[in-house]
Amino acid sequence: AQSVSQHNHHVILSEAASLELGCNYSYGGTVNLFWYVQYPGQHLQLLLKYFSGDPLVKGIKGFEAEFIKSKFSFNLRKPSVQWSDTAEYFCAVNAGGGSQGNLIFGKGTKLSVKP
Amino acid sequence: DVKVTQSSRYLVKRTGEKVFLECVQDMDHENMFWYRQDPGLGLRLIYFSYDVKMKEKGDIPEGYSVSREKKERFSLILESASTNQTSMYLCASSLIEGRGPQETQYFGPGTRLLVL
Repeated sequence: AQSVSQHNHHVILSEAASLELGCNYSYGGTVNLFWYVQYPGQHLQLLLKYFSGDPLVKGIKGFEAEFIKSKFSFNLRKPSVQWSDTAEYFCAVNAGGGSQGNLIFGKGTKLSVKP
Repeated sequence: DVKVTQSSRYLVKRTGEKVFLECVQDMDHENMFWYRQDPGLGLRLIYFSYDVKMKEKGDIPEGYSVSREKKERFSLILESASTNQTSMYLCASSLIEGRGPQETQYFGPGTRLLVL
């Protein structure tokens, strides 16, 4: 069965530190990849997505992610975090071949940014 | 902008009660989904629907049922609520792009259900 692993449960950083959140998936075929973010008290929203083309994807608020097919990874990065980036981040995968839009989510990584 | 609304933000019910959670989307999306979100477990798919009157089981359908009588509305039903169904319930919708698996899901604000 397909699965998504997020390596870190909780990451604590100071403002201006660089961020990298790991995401690995288990599926050998074509995949579409997503990062969602949930700010405290708010609903889940899309941060960025990868369908095809350039494996380096830029999203909102200065986030980017790189799809490395050989490593089955889609890590999220930001060069300099802000206090307002405090949120929970979810990686998700949509596998091809008739999955009809179902997303498999990782368990989430909680990011706390200290001012 | 896509808008997905859920009927309640907070709900408190007693064990054994029948519970209805409603979700409405205003963008004519074919796909609708119900998830539950629990700390440390991420989002788990309960049921989804591709069309009116159509439903498919997700990963954890036990104890739940769904109804989709209209395209814009997808209801989650807890036939007899139990304490282990205390959770945050999220509804999502998406549009099939060329009928391929590329659609982005848009989420509602969630319903936090407490079963006593």
